[in-house]
Amino acid sequence: GQNIDQPTEMTATEGAIVQINCTYQTSGFNGLFWYQQHAGEAPTFLSYNVLDGLEEKGRFSSFLSRSKGYSYLLLKELQMKDSASYLCAVRDRGYSTLTFGKGTMLLVSP
Amino acid sequence: DTAVSQTPKYLVTQMGNDKSIKCEQNLGHDTMYWYKQDSKKFLKIMFSYNNKELIINETVPNRFSPKSPDKAHLNLHINSLELGDSAVYFCASGWRGGGETQYFGPGTRLLVL
Repeated sequence: GQNIDQPTEMTATEGAIVQINCTYQTSGFNGLFWYQQHAGEAPTFLSYNVLDGLEEKGRFSSFLSRSKGYSYLLLKELQMKDSASYLCAVRDRGYSTLTFGKGTMLLVSP
Repeated sequence: DTAVSQTPKYLVTQMGNDKSIKCEQNLGHDTMYWYKQDSKKFLKIMFSYNNKELIINETVPNRFSPKSPDKAHLNLHINSLELGDSAVYFCASGWRGGGETQYFGPGTRLLVL
């Protein structure tokens, strides 16, 4: 099975940088995903790591260390619209099912 | 064009009723999923279908019965609704072999009174 842990809440200021950590224990690993979910909306895909290292997409970057079972999502130049829940999810090898962490609620203040 | 669509968006019903939620994807994916997101926002897999075949069935009461008439559609029927079934149900689609991510529908907000 999968066990995924991420902080429940974080706060940051507009224009700042924030790092959201995710640790996982898994019996089979086929990628780690980060999703963003605004209140009342569906999760939307942000980034994907299957190999160790950093993936950068605009203001968002995601890092993976498979040996440590660790990932982080880095958000730069924070904007008010980045206030949302950020979900870390691990995909298994068998049926490509995603197991989600409980999400980190990020509040960006002026 | 909407990639993954669900109907209805909102569903309010009485305990004991039977209801269905429909999902369609136009991305050509071979696998579709149902997830449940509870009041604490925890998103959990319920079922997965690959080319109309059930491949994942997590610990879900048998009052929940998914049906896939073709690989672009996955419906969820719920019998004898209970208060605890109140949640947001998300449909998603993707490729069984991995690769790109799963794409989520807009969700169906079910409230059982």
